[in-house]
Amino acid sequence: AQSVAQPEDQVNVAEGNPLTVKCTYSVSGNPYLFWYVQYPNRGLQFLLKYITGDNLVKGSYGFEAEFNKSQTSFHLKKPSALVSDSALYFCAVRDPPGRRALTFGSGTRLQVQP
Amino acid sequence: DGGITQSPKYLFRKEGQNVTLSCEQNLNHDAMYWYRQDPGQGLRLIYYSQIVNDFQKGDIAEGYSVSREKKESFPLTVTSAQKNPTAFYLCASIPGTNNYGYTFGSGTRLTVV
Repeated sequence: AQSVAQPEDQVNVAEGNPLTVKCTYSVSGNPYLFWYVQYPNRGLQFLLKYITGDNLVKGSYGFEAEFNKSQTSFHLKKPSALVSDSALYFCAVRDPPGRRALTFGSGTRLQVQP
Repeated sequence: DGGITQSPKYLFRKEGQNVTLSCEQNLNHDAMYWYRQDPGQGLRLIYYSQIVNDFQKGDIAEGYSVSREKKESFPLTVTSAQKNPTAFYLCASIPGTNNYGYTFGSGTRLTVV
C-alpha cells in the first residue's frame, strides 16, 4: 500500500532561518508526491507536487521540495522562514490507479518564532 | 469565485442522532472526496465519488453514508453507527483529468454532546 511518513510532530525554527519539514514515502511504481498546508480551522491549501522531471520542485509562497529517490524522501524546504509560515503541513502520495485519491501523512506543525 | 462550500462550520450531535454535512462545489469538478481529520492522525479517506450516481468506500467508511445525485453536491451523513464521530471533516474535489491538485473546503467541525 502507498504511504507517507512525517517523522516530526513539530518543527521549531527562528524567523529568517531556513526550514525543512521531512517526509518519506513508500510506493510501488513511480511516486506522485504532494505538499499541503493547513491554517487553523481551515481546509488544506496546495503547495507543490512532484510528478516527474527535476528533483527540485518549486511551489507557492517560496516553498520548494527535493525529491530523493534513493532515500525515498520528499522534504519541504524554504530558505528563510516567516512567522506567517507557522501552520500544519501535510505530505501526501497518490493512491494506486483505480482509487484516484491521496493518502496523507500525519502532519507536521511548523512554529516560526520571531 | 469558484470553490467548495462546506456547511455548517460547526455542528453538534446528540448521541444516537444522524447528521448530514453539506459539500457543494461550483468548479465543475468530476471527483469529490470526504476526509476525516483527527489530531496526530492526518487525514483519512471516508468516501469518494468519481462521477455522478457512483461512489466508493474509503478507508474508514463504517458509520458514514454519502450520495452523489448532482455533480455539484456530495453530502456526508454521519449515522448513529459511527461510535466516535467527533472530528474535523473536510470535503475536496479535483477535475476529471489526471490532476491531483485537490481543492478543499474550509471544513465542518462535528462534536458529540
